[in-house]
This record gives sequence, structure tokens and C-alpha cells, in this order.
Amino acid sequence: EDQVTQSPEALRLQEGESSSLNCSYTVSGLRGLFWYRQDPGKGPEFLFTLYSAGEEKEKERLKATLTKKESFLHITAPKPEDSATYLCAVRSTGGGNKLTFGTGTQLKVEL
Amino acid sequence: GAVVSQHPSRVICKSGTSVKIECRSLDFQATTMFWYRQFPKQSLMLMATSNEGSKATYEQGVEKDKFLINHASLTLSTLTVTSAHPEDSSFYICSARGGAAEQFFGPGTRLTVL
Repeated sequence: EDQVTQSPEALRLQEGESSSLNCSYTVSGLRGLFWYRQDPGKGPEFLFTLYSAGEEKEKERLKATLTKKESFLHITAPKPEDSATYLCAVRSTGGGNKLTFGTGTQLKVEL
Repeated sequence: GAVVSQHPSRVICKSGTSVKIECRSLDFQATTMFWYRQFPKQSLMLMATSNEGSKATYEQGVEKDKFLINHASLTLSTLTVTSAHPEDSSFYICSARGGAAEQFFGPGTRLTVL
């Protein structure tokens, strides 16, 4: 059974204070690792897809990286508008079309 | 990114009534659509997966007679909560996937059953 664990559960940063969120996964065969951002009362917003170890993707202040066991979402010089819950999900060869989600990291960036 | 819409965004109903939620992919053809449920401060729980023109596949523990899913076209799926009760109150989110790997989510529907 696919498993996704995210840490920390919650993270409070000062504006400009860079940090990383972790997503550890166990799958039968990885077909994709996905990062989403979710604001309160909204559906998740797609950020990145990573497929193989060593792959990296960037978007504005966010950079996602992937190894064979985990993914990191690096946030550089965050701003208050980056405050949200960040979700990690995997799709595997054994899971069909399903995404298995972690429980998320709730990020709050303060002035 | 691709756009998925949901309607209504909020619904309040009396216990025992049925509620229909629509999910549309606006700028792509969704071969597969998914319905999720999310409780406060928890992650998304997959309820069912549907392919256009086929019966939905429900996750273990999800009552298919209570949560009716129809995926009649490549751009529209509906979730009907039949005989809703207060315990069905939740945030329901649909998601759609076309030919690519990415899966896009709707804005969600807040259901409150009185």
C-alpha cells in the first residue's frame, strides 16, 4: 500500500526566512509525485509533477526536488501570500489512477 | 493550468433531501474524474473514480447507493448525495484528469445538512 508522510505538520516562518517542507513516500513503483497548494475553503491548486530521482522544478519562490524516497519543497524568501497548506501526493504502478495524499504541511508566513 | 469548476460552492439542505453537485472541466476533456471528501484540518479522502461512460469505482467504505456518481460526458460529472444526513456535512471536491499525468481540482462544495 502506498504511503505518504509529510513533515512538519505546521511551520511558521518570518517573511524572507527560507525553509523546506518534506514529503517521504513508499510506493510499489512511482508514476509521479505531485505538489499542490490548498488555501482554506478552496480546492488544491496544482504546483508541480516530478517523475524521477534527481528531477527539479521551479516556480517563483518554490522549488521541488525528488529522490528515491522523498521530495522537498523549498521556499525561498517566502511572503505572507505563500501561507497555505501544501499537499504532496503520489501515483504508483500499484495504485492505478489514484493519488495517495499526505496530510499536508500548514505554512504560515508572518511579516 | 487547466480549469475545473464546481457548482454550487455552498449548499444547505434539510435532512432527508438529496443534493446534486456538478463538476465541469472547462478547457480540456476529462477522461477520468474523481470525487473527494475533506474534513476540517484533514487531507483529502478519495470517494470514487469515474471514467466517461462507465460506472464509477467506489473506495472501500463509501456507499455507492448514497453517493451517486454520473460521468455522462468528457466535461461533466455529477455527485448526488441521496437522503442526506448531518453526518454527510463536509467539503466535497472534484478533480479531473485528461490525457496527461496532472490532475486538477475544482474549488469545492461546502455541504451543510441540517
